[in-house]
Formats: sequence, C-alpha cells, structure tokens
Amino acid sequence: DGGITQSPKYLFRKEGQNVTLSCEQNLNHDAMYWYRQDPGQGLRLIYYSQIVNDFQKGDIAEGYSVSREKKESFPLTVTSAQKNPTAFYLCASSILGLSYEQYFGPGTRLTVT
Amino acid sequence: AQSVAQPEDQVNVAEGNPLTVKCTYSVSGNPYLFWYVQYPNRGLQFLLKYITGDNLVKGSYGFEAEFNKSQTSFHLKKPSALVSDSALYFCAVRDNTGTASKLTFGTGTRLQVTL
Repeated sequence: DGGITQSPKYLFRKEGQNVTLSCEQNLNHDAMYWYRQDPGQGLRLIYYSQIVNDFQKGDIAEGYSVSREKKESFPLTVTSAQKNPTAFYLCASSILGLSYEQYFGPGTRLTVT
Repeated sequence: AQSVAQPEDQVNVAEGNPLTVKCTYSVSGNPYLFWYVQYPNRGLQFLLKYITGDNLVKGSYGFEAEFNKSQTSFHLKKPSALVSDSALYFCAVRDNTGTASKLTFGTGTRLQVTL
C-alpha cells in the first residue's frame, strides 16, 4: 500500500448524512483515482484527477463529489444522494502515461445504516 | 469501450502445483494489461504488466503472465503455488485513449491454495 494513506479504515454513518473519505499520497503522482468495490463486481471508477483543480467523472459518479486542491490530496464525499453507499472504497495514484501502473491505498470500508 | 473477463470466480489448487488464473480482454488499439492481488480488507497490490515486447511477463512473488494477442488473453501463472498465494486476483486493461491511466477491472478470481 506504500505511499498512499486512506482514513479512516472503517466508517459508519446514518442514512442521509454526507461523509468524506480522505486520501493522501506522497509519491508525487499527478493522477489520482477513486474506486468502489462491491462483492462480485470488481472495482468501478468513481472519479479521477490528472492535475490539481481538475477532475473527471468515472463510470459511477452519481451521488459522489471530489476536490483536488493539492497534488497530494484527493478527498471523496459520499453524499446523501448516493442510493447504496455501503461499500469498500479504494483510492489510487499513478504517474501520467500509458504504461504506468496504479498504486492503491488500504481502503475505507463505509457502512451506512 | 474496453472490457475484461475473468471466467472463473474461484480457482482451487494444491500447494506445489502450478496455477493459472484466466483473463481475456477487449480493447481498441494496443493493449496495456495489468494483474493485481488483493488480500482480505486490504488495497490492491500490483503484480505485473504487459506493455509491449516479450509475451511472457515476469512479476512479483514468482508470478508470470502470458500475453496472447490472437486469443486476446493474459493468463496469470505460477509454476508452484503456495498457501500464502491465496487471495483475490484482478486483471485490468488500460484505457489507451488518454494519459490518465484509467483501468477497467475484471470481477476478480479467488485463488484458494490448500496443503
């Protein structure tokens, strides 16, 4: 997981509340990503960012928001509009370029009741 | 749009035996392919990648993968499995239409290695 931290590891929220997941990297990577993992569905891309103050929607952006005010940080907010927010959330980063792999953080398990 | 298929939800193998985890892909243009491993409640760890060159790619922990362009496959292999290899394995293909390294993942294959 080296170089990417996510906090907290476990998060519990009541339905209707917004919640923000933290992601920080010290790898000096330009690109950062948020994925959602559900059992049997693999990873699905929520948002990604190539540069500070710019980000793009992934495949399942509805109900989520992000910001990229610093190169090192890419927080994800799960809003009350997300209909099924309980999941394992993974943050990743990479060097820009076709051949570079992504490095993943340890993940945050969000449970909304 | 690119896609990845991992046809087996689970693969069972005895320790010391060779293992194969299958992956097929679909992408326009040159494929950029990756394998990751995930242990319970952890993030993904990079194992290996195919960008260009030799069809047999060697990676971490003794794993290797064979790229086959005609069969659009990128199967993960290891000559001798260990119990500690038991984990969830993901194949991924790169979106090569941009530089942001967007990856499309398969649904994962759970590898169970028994004594």
